[in-house]
Amino acid sequence: EAGVTQFPSHSVIEKGQTVTLRCDPISGHDNLYWYRRVMGKEIKFLLHFVKESKQDESGMPNNRFLAERTGGTYSTLKVQPAELEDSGVYFCASSQGLAGESYEQYFGPGTRLTVT
Amino acid sequence: GQSLEQPSEVTAVEGAIVQINCTYQTSGFYGLSWYQQHDGGAPTFLSYNALDGLEETGRFSSFLSRSDSYGYLLLQELQMKDSASYFCASSNQAGTALIFGKGTTLSVSS
Repeated sequence: EAGVTQFPSHSVIEKGQTVTLRCDPISGHDNLYWYRRVMGKEIKFLLHFVKESKQDESGMPNNRFLAERTGGTYSTLKVQPAELEDSGVYFCASSQGLAGESYEQYFGPGTRLTVT
Repeated sequence: GQSLEQPSEVTAVEGAIVQINCTYQTSGFYGLSWYQQHDGGAPTFLSYNALDGLEETGRFSSFLSRSDSYGYLLLQELQMKDSASYFCASSNQAGTALIFGKGTTLSVSS
């Protein structure tokens, strides 16, 4: 079974540019999550999809971040325009059930974003 | 708000036993999970405690006390490959996503 994949693995962009991150969850997992880890800090929740619907986007920092999951398969996270504080590692995870139901979340390897 | 506190670093030698503690303050607590992360890679699931008590999975065990808002991860017979970051996590109030502690970096030496 293929795991969660993310593309690109690294991205270096200048402040003001746009970047789009992609996540392919494990096949059959309806739940897809985006998280971010800024250096030295905890992994923070950004948003949660169930199939193609956004269930919870309370962790999205601001309206420069836009996530989509068209067709309920892969997801994209776009940052436009990028700011310096957006640098960090963006993780995608997927699961069969919800965190509150003890379902394990499977994480991808992350995209390391550096904004200069 | 919700928060989980854990030590930032722990060191130990091969073959030893180490305990990583986690205290939490959350609303609508569903249970405590533990994840391992090697070299900034993908966090991988280790264990989950929904009820009080000890859960054992091979060399790793996890404990939860809901009345004390406290849990720990116990690693036995430490190996060099256990050097990694370990995160405790709990679900958010809606039960939809994970809230993580800042992580504990475990260094195992020979």
